[in-house]
Amino acid sequence: KNQVEQSPQSLIILEGKNCTLQCNYTVSPFSNLRWYKQDTGRGPVSLTIMTFSENTKSNGRYTATLDADTKQSSLHITASQLSDSASYICVVSHMFSGGYNKLIFGAGTRLAVHP
Amino acid sequence: DVKVTQSSRYLVKRTGEKVFLECVQDMDHENMFWYRQDPGLGLRLIYFSYDVKMKEKGDIPEGYSVSREKKERFSLILESASTNQTSMYLCASSLLAGASGGGETQYFGPGTRLLVL
Repeated sequence: KNQVEQSPQSLIILEGKNCTLQCNYTVSPFSNLRWYKQDTGRGPVSLTIMTFSENTKSNGRYTATLDADTKQSSLHITASQLSDSASYICVVSHMFSGGYNKLIFGAGTRLAVHP
Repeated sequence: DVKVTQSSRYLVKRTGEKVFLECVQDMDHENMFWYRQDPGLGLRLIYFSYDVKMKEKGDIPEGYSVSREKKERFSLILESASTNQTSMYLCASSLLAGASGGGETQYFGPGTRLLVL
């Protein structure tokens, strides 16, 4: 079954600290993996996208890694800010017959950054 | 910047009512999607459309229908709302005609939080 699992479910850190969010997937065949940030009361916004051949991608203080062999990805946030408080969603694109792709969403990690 | 707007941020409806959720995007995207988001679950695809008047069922289409009469507008219809349809509804759009959004980034609207009493 194609699934995306994220850990932890929720996380509290102090402002200025680093943190790492995890994503494990069983999706196959795999097309790409994205991390989205969703602020409370808003729609998700794309942070990074990685294809099978990429193992790291940065967007400012956000760095995503991908190990396609172990089917694991992580999102590392450096020097956290209060505005990083949000849900972070891992999304894996599943290729299926006919050349179509389907997105499989994780349930998200809710991050709270405290002053 | 891509802008996806949804007609309502919050809606309260009664069981059995017909509910219309509207979504408009301004970037001439071919693909449009409706998802629902529930606590502890990932976004689940209800319907998507890759062209005007075209629609495809997603993972949970039961109890929903959609309409796409114009490229920029995609409507989600709850024919007879039920309490288990209380949820956050998210609309998204993307480029790349012919695919269910895997190849291109999806841009999301702010969501409509629907409460069915």
